[in-house]
Amino acid sequence: QSALTQPASVSGSPGQSITISCTGTSSDVGGYKYVSWYQQHPGKAPKLMIYEVSNRPSGVSNRFSGSKSGNTASLTISGLQAEDEADYYCSSYTSSNVVLFGGGTRLTVL
Amino acid sequence: QVQLVQSGAEVKKPGASVKVSCKASGYSFTTYGISWVRQAPGQGLEWVGWISAYTSHTYYPQKLQGRVTVTTDTSTSTAYMELRNLRSDDAAIYYCARDPAILPGRGSDYWGQGTLVTVSS
Repeated sequence: QSALTQPASVSGSPGQSITISCTGTSSDVGGYKYVSWYQQHPGKAPKLMIYEVSNRPSGVSNRFSGSKSGNTASLTISGLQAEDEADYYCSSYTSSNVVLFGGGTRLTVL
Repeated sequence: QVQLVQSGAEVKKPGASVKVSCKASGYSFTTYGISWVRQAPGQGLEWVGWISAYTSHTYYPQKLQGRVTVTTDTSTSTAYMELRNLRSDDAAIYYCARDPAILPGRGSDYWGQGTLVTVSS
């Protein structure tokens, strides 16, 4: 199975909003509500930011939100802050009972 | 507090096996699952496998089927990932992460610190 498709990079200025897309198929992103988003700073383990498409774990800022339309999921970060600069990965459960990750998106805060 | 503490870095020769451990604490081990995820240098995340600590049911990606085995020891709240017949492209940081116990992919909320596996002759 192929990885989910994410843009390689996105950028935004402090205070702005950005959206990262994650495109799969009807066998993964489009077929289930089990899409997650992770933030990873250099040299650190990933951190869960969104689960089940749009749910935030306790302690995650409400500036992070998730949604899905068809086979594409999206992560939106509003009120960009310097600390948001990181790599972001989406993942999805699939019909084969496996997990696919996206290729990752590097967010640069200008 | 929830913690996942992994074993130390490993250096292996091509064709050898590696077994990485992940000791859990701060929660009821058997009410969750454990996923393993790897990250090659400068690359993205790749899912390696999942086990329910409750049922011991496992799932693996087709790419690694037959070479990877994930197990748990509930008496010590420890999960293990063994990868056999190592190749150079298996060199990566291997992470364990806590998952819901039912099926993989529901979101990994706590992660280990990672274990660097180097494959070199």
